[in-house]
Amino acid sequence: SYVLTQPPSVSVAPGQTARIICGGDNIATKSVHWYQQKPGQAPVLVVFDDSDRPSGIPERFSGSYSENTATLTISRVEAGDEADYFCQVWDSNSDHRVFGGGTKLTVL
Amino acid sequence: EVQLVESGGGLVQPGGSLRLSCAASGFTVSSNYMNWVRRAPGKGLEWVSVIYSGGDTYYTDSVKGRFTISRDNSKNTVYLQMNSLRAEDTAVYYCARNYDISGPAFYWGQGTLVTVSS
Repeated sequence: SYVLTQPPSVSVAPGQTARIICGGDNIATKSVHWYQQKPGQAPVLVVFDDSDRPSGIPERFSGSYSENTATLTISRVEAGDEADYFCQVWDSNSDHRVFGGGTKLTVL
Repeated sequence: EVQLVESGGGLVQPGGSLRLSCAASGFTVSSNYMNWVRRAPGKGLEWVSVIYSGGDTYYTDSVKGRFTISRDNSKNTVYLQMNSLRAEDTAVYYCARNYDISGPAFYWGQGTLVTVSS
């Protein structure tokens, strides 16, 4: 089955840039989506189809690819960005949706 | 306004059953791809099941044969029948809507907690 790999944690100071990576075989051939989840809340979509943003999501959130890795970049990080972030794709071989293990973003 | 409201969670003994409901408003479930996603304590998000607009259904391997996803178009509601529950099924279960087969889940419910324990 398809596997997405994320670092367990990322720490960044307020105002700096956070980069959260998501690795998977031939990930560049898939549409990658990113979700933010804060404690006690439902997940929120922050980037979809690699680099698009839903309405209401700040421009500080962006998505990109590099080699075999998708990256969620959060610019000018704020305390309110502290959350768990998950990447997700659809695996066409199994018709399963797959989530990465998640990355906890800590704002120092 | 799009809304998804889950219900049916609770405490159940190992080997027991529960049926979760996801009542939708603001759109038609039968025209969308409806998912169940869970998050166990201390773990990440895990996709559980999907029902396609055409009626096809898919499950993650760990629940195949134990869980069944279905929908009632007249009630605009999606269900997850969970049988032979195990401790590792303990999680908050979310209902989520996709527009298309490879797209993201734009809309999520608030979740319902399922606890499997004796």
